[in-house]
Amino acid sequence: DAGVTQSPTHLIKTRGQQVTLRCSPISGHKSVSWYQQVLGQGPQFIFQYYEKEERGRGNFPDRFSARQFPNYSSELNVNALLLGDSALYLCASSVRDSNYEQYFGPGTRLTVT
Amino acid sequence: AQSVTQLGSHVSVSEGALVLLRCNYSSSVPPYLFWYVQYPNQGLQLLLKYTTGATLVKGINGFEAEFKKSETSFHLTKPSAHMSDAAEYFCAVGNNAGNMLTFGGGTRLMVKP
Repeated sequence: DAGVTQSPTHLIKTRGQQVTLRCSPISGHKSVSWYQQVLGQGPQFIFQYYEKEERGRGNFPDRFSARQFPNYSSELNVNALLLGDSALYLCASSVRDSNYEQYFGPGTRLTVT
Repeated sequence: AQSVTQLGSHVSVSEGALVLLRCNYSSSVPPYLFWYVQYPNQGLQLLLKYTTGATLVKGINGFEAEFKKSETSFHLTKPSAHMSDAAEYFCAVGNNAGNMLTFGGGTRLMVKP
C-alpha cells in the first residue's frame, strides 16, 4: 500500500509570495495533520483536519491556512512568505481524529529567499 | 501545556555498544509517548509508542523504551548499535484529545565503526 505522499518535494519561493503544499493520506485514513520542521529542530504542529473540518490548530499566524477535500487529501497554504517560513513541511495521516498513530510523509522542503 | 526535553542533541556510540537516548516530558494528563526516527531527507517513522499498560515498550529494529512516571522519563535504548541506526531521533508526547504531537528537539545518533 502507498504511504503518505506529498508534493512538491522541494520548492523555492521569494519573500511575499504565496505557496500551496499538497498531501495525500494513506488509503482509509480520514485525518491529516501538518507539521513544520525548521532545520535543527523538532516538528511543530500546525493543523489537524478530520472529515474536512479543522480539529486542531497550533500556534501559527493566520498566514497559514489549510483545507481537506472529500477524498481526504489536504492542502496547506502559506501567504506573504517570510524567510522564517523556510522549513520542511510534514504531513501525517491517521485513521481518525483521536488516533495517535500518525504516519508521516517525506515532507516538502520550502526555501524562501 | 505539554513539553518534551531530549538531553543531548548529539550522541556518539561505537558499533555494538549500548544506545541510550534520553527523553523527559511534562504533561498534565496521563501521557501518550512516542519515539520517531528520521533518516536524512526523509519523513518520520514511528519506532514505538506508550499509551497504557506495560511500561516497557518494544519497538522496531530492536529498540525499546521504558515509561517511568516518577521520573517523567521515556528513555530509548538498544543493546547493540548498528551502523544503520545512525539517524535523528525524536521523542514526542500526545495531547489529551489525541490529535496533536509535541516533539522534543531531537537527538542525532552517530555510530562509529
